[in-house]
Amino acid sequence: NAGVTQTPKFRILKIGQSMTLQCTQDMNHNYMYWYRQDPGMGLKLIYYSVGAGITDKGEVPNGYNVSRSTTEDFPLRLELAAPSQTSVYFCASSYPTGTGELFFGEGSRLTVL
Amino acid sequence: DAKTTQPTSMDCAEGRAANLPCNHSTISGNEYVYWYRQIHSQGPQYIIHGLKNNETNEMASLIITEDRKSSTLILPHATLRDTAVYYCIVRVGGNAGNMLTFGGGTRLMVKP
Repeated sequence: NAGVTQTPKFRILKIGQSMTLQCTQDMNHNYMYWYRQDPGMGLKLIYYSVGAGITDKGEVPNGYNVSRSTTEDFPLRLELAAPSQTSVYFCASSYPTGTGELFFGEGSRLTVL
Repeated sequence: DAKTTQPTSMDCAEGRAANLPCNHSTISGNEYVYWYRQIHSQGPQYIIHGLKNNETNEMASLIITEDRKSSTLILPHATLRDTAVYYCIVRVGGNAGNMLTFGGGTRLMVKP
C-alpha cells in the first residue's frame, strides 16, 4: 500500500492564481482530512469528509474548496491565492471506527508570492 | 474536545527515558488521550492512545493519572531519531468523526 499520496510536493503561486492540491489514499478509508501548518505552529483543520459526496468545514475553511467524488480522492482547491495561504498542507485519512489513528501524507509546501 | 497543555520544549540524553507530560484538566469521561509526533515537518505519525488504563506498544508507553487530568508519554530508550515535535490530543472516541486538533506540541531534542 502506498498509503496517503499528495501532489505536488512543492509549488510556488502568484497572488490571485488558483490551483488544486491532490490527495489520494489506497486504504479504503471513509474519512479524509485537509490540514494546514504554518511555520512553528500546530496543524489546523481546513475541511474533512466522512465519505464520497459528503464534506464539511473545519477550523479554517475560508479561501478553499473541496470535493469528494470517490472514496480514494480528496482534492483541495485554492481559489485566488493569497500570501496568507503560504503553508504546508497535509492530507490524512482514517477509518470511521477503531483506534482513530490518522494516516498522513508527506505534505505539500505552497508558497504564494 | 478538551484543551491540552504541554511544555514547549524538552531535552533528553540518548539512551535515557524521555518523559513527556501533558495536562488535560477539562477532559470528559468519553474523551481519549492521543499522542502523535512529527519529524522534520513530515506528516504526523500516530504513537499511542488510551482512555483511562495505561497503555504500551512497540513505540512508547502512556501513563494516565487516575483522575485523567494529566498523562505522560514515555519513550523508554530515546534515540536521535526520536527528535521530533510530540502532540498530545484529547478527543471523543468511537465513530465521532476522528477530527483531531493539533496544538503547539512539545519539541523533544534527543542529544548524544
